[in-house]
Amino acid sequence: NAGVTQTPKFQVLKTGQSMTLQCAQDMNHNSMYWYRQDPGMGLRLIYYSASEGTTDKGEVPNGYNVSRLNKREFSLRLESAAPSQTSVYFCASSETGEYGYTFGSGTRLTVV
Amino acid sequence: GQSLEQPSEVTAVEGAIVQINCTYQTSGFYGLSWYQQHDGGAPTFLSYNALDGLEETGRFSSFLSRSDSYGYLLLQELQMKDSASYFCAGSSNDYKLSFGAGTTVTVRA
Repeated sequence: NAGVTQTPKFQVLKTGQSMTLQCAQDMNHNSMYWYRQDPGMGLRLIYYSASEGTTDKGEVPNGYNVSRLNKREFSLRLESAAPSQTSVYFCASSETGEYGYTFGSGTRLTVV
Repeated sequence: GQSLEQPSEVTAVEGAIVQINCTYQTSGFYGLSWYQQHDGGAPTFLSYNALDGLEETGRFSSFLSRSDSYGYLLLQELQMKDSASYFCAGSSNDYKLSFGAGTTVTVRA
């Protein structure tokens, strides 16, 4: 049982480049989330999808877009990467959206 | 929105008891969760309190007081493997979770 799978695990981008972070879950969860984690700041919500077909902004959505491709997959796109987007990105899923989130192993992104 | 406050770090010896407090300000509050994260790893779910009172799961217990907007995580019989960051997280009626900044627990021999 894989849980939540994120790709890639590591990525280095140049300023202005674009990329898509992929996330897939195999637990039939309704809700999916993208968080970023910076030192000393905990996890901050970028975007989320409460159910298939819906997406909503979180706390720090600027510079990002998302797509809920189907119930399993939720991708995060950086259209024009900036050094401020250097961070560790975590995808998560939940059956109810209330508790019991399962996190992927993270993508460590560096923008130079 | 939600705001959660917790101490930045705690140090204790093996076998001791540690309490991590969390205060929150939130609208549409549903419940308080706790997550553990080892260095470089993914956060993992520990416990959830939707109602006032104490929930016990092995060596870990979590408490919630909705009237005080306060909760805590109690780690008993500390072991070296408990050295990690611990996050409180509040859920609300819009299907999302907001996290505190985390408490780093260091267990000394």
